[in-house]
Formats: sequence, C-alpha cells, structure tokens
Amino acid sequence: GAVVSQHPSRVICKSGTSVKIECRSLDFQATTMFWYRQFPKQSLMLMATSNEGSKATYEQGVEKDKFLINHASLTLSTLTVTSAHPEDSSFYICSARDTLNTGELFFGEGSRLTVL
Amino acid sequence: AQSVTQLDSQVPVFEEAPVELRCNYSSSVSVYLFWYVQYPNQGLQLLLKYLSGSTLVKGINGFEAEFNKSQTSFHLRKPSVHISDTAEYFCAVGRSTGGFKTIFGAGTRLFVKA
Repeated sequence: GAVVSQHPSRVICKSGTSVKIECRSLDFQATTMFWYRQFPKQSLMLMATSNEGSKATYEQGVEKDKFLINHASLTLSTLTVTSAHPEDSSFYICSARDTLNTGELFFGEGSRLTVL
Repeated sequence: AQSVTQLDSQVPVFEEAPVELRCNYSSSVSVYLFWYVQYPNQGLQLLLKYLSGSTLVKGINGFEAEFNKSQTSFHLRKPSVHISDTAEYFCAVGRSTGGFKTIFGAGTRLFVKA
C-alpha cells in the first residue's frame, strides 16, 4: 500500500524553541494532507487540513500561529510547533489522501514531541 | 458535519472468543467508513474500509465489518481473537466529497485475556 513517512519519530526540545515535523508521501501525490494530535489514551483530534499550494484550514480551537503548516509540494507537508511549551507535548500524526479520490487516508507513524 | 461514536471504551474478552466493537456515525453527506488499529506508541494501521458496494467488508487479521445504512452503524467483528489483537481500535468517518475530512471516534481498547 501507499507509504507516508513522518520525521522525526521522536523529538525532545526546550521550552520556547520551535520544532518542525515533516510528512512525506513516498509513492503517491497528495494534494491534501491532514494533521492530527493525540493525547495519551485518547483519540485523534484533527488539527488542520493542509492543501498543496494554499493556506491550511484549521479546526476550531487550534491556534494557527502556534501550529504553522506548509504544504509546498505534492509530497511534503510540514508542521512547525512554534515557541513550544510543555502543554504542546503530544503525539502528532499526519495523513495523506491519494489522488485517486478514494478518500482513504494513509498515515505516518507519528511524531512524539516532548517539551521540557 | 459528521460525527462518530464508539459505544464501548473498553472490551475485555478471552482468547479465541468472538468480539464485536461498535461504531455509530452521523453525517449529512455521503461518507466513507474505516476501522484502524493502533498498537502502543505506534501509528495507525488500516484494518478495513467501506467506500461503496458490498456492505460486508473483510479486512486484515481476520476482521470484518458490516455497513448498515439504516442504523448508521459500522460494527467491527472477529470470530476468534488472539492475544496479539490487544490494541486500541478507532472507527473513522470521512466525507466522500469536499476535501475528505475524516474524524475519529474516541477509540475502543480491546483487551484479550488468556
């Protein structure tokens, strides 16, 4: 099946720094990617929809200035957590929709962010 | 807007017993339905999906699900579970048009006991 690669898988940073997480579709083009956040023992919360070549669409309650999303190409979307704080510590998962228009999402393996 | 409800937060079951994990959804537009499994500290793996056609969908690891439009349900079943099936299971509902936004249920923790 289609492969989505997410990097880094784990990152630890100091409070106040910014962290960038990459999401790549390795064998298909993804015009749309999605970013989710998962707290321990909870479900996935959709943060934003990333559209290639245009601005991301954020879900209600998600700070767009805190979580910067860029989708510069058909195979890469990035999430930057700016001025990270301990409460931003979480598991971030990206997914990509293939251009075959099936609606199926292919998920990355997630990035665990720990802010000290 | 769509929503999805997983009726059971935890399901304990003995090994080799059958199991059903329940999922109900609501949506004002046509949807696709998915079940994903998540093992500890890992990403999500697709178990099965319903896009169209036959309402009985077979997936990996012996799982199957049935789409019931009148009851707006998509319950996941397995006739005989293994210890290795212990994991978190998520039902997801995705719009079939307009951006394919997909949302997830709260998850059901399947715990298989020896």
